[in-house]
Amino acid sequence: DVQLLESGGDLVQPGGSLRLSCAASGFSFSTFAMSWVRQAPGKGLEWVSTISGSGSNRYYADSVKGRFTISRDNSKNTVSLQMHSLRAEDTAVYYCAKFDTMSHLDYWGQGTLVTVSS
Amino acid sequence: EIVLRQSPATLSLSPGERATLSCRASQSVSSYLAWYQQKPGQAPKLLIYNASKRATDIPARFSGSGSGTDFTLTISSLEPEDFAVYYCQVRSSWSWTFGQGTKVEIK
Repeated sequence: DVQLLESGGDLVQPGGSLRLSCAASGFSFSTFAMSWVRQAPGKGLEWVSTISGSGSNRYYADSVKGRFTISRDNSKNTVSLQMHSLRAEDTAVYYCAKFDTMSHLDYWGQGTLVTVSS
Repeated sequence: EIVLRQSPATLSLSPGERATLSCRASQSVSSYLAWYQQKPGQAPKLLIYNASKRATDIPARFSGSGSGTDFTLTISSLEPEDFAVYYCQVRSSWSWTFGQGTKVEIK
């Protein structure tokens, strides 16, 4: 079975940094692109970032470009999101998700909560 | 950037009734539209991809249709476990966009 397990969510002060990780299992990890999607409290889903299977292509939402960096380690089946210059509006549950084709996400983790507050 | 508008925002129905959810794109997305279901406290779950293909283990009461800019998710007869929020999603070039969601609530 496909499993995605996020970790790293925490309470952080505005301007601070945080690194999220997602451990994947149950599929050929390096074959599939991966993504981070977030959901602010009581709000809808917002795409954050995508990385290709090889890791050579990375894409970001305008709201996080220049502050967040996505990466993956195909030897460890993990994908990470390094977040800098965090703002209150980055407060959200962050989901790790697997692409089927590049058009839709067929498996999601349970999410990890990031709270940006002083 | 493509904008997805879902309607209605809230749909109040009784179990056994038919639910019809709409998703309209600001420009043509061909058939590369997906639908997700999210229950409180849970991660989203893929229901439909490529506008009309059911994902693995999704019951036949869920169906998707449409192409271009207008898409519909239909739940033929609501079961108690179907009351949830539903999102549409599309890829545009190298960004991915979600609609704002439709909440299907018990009337």
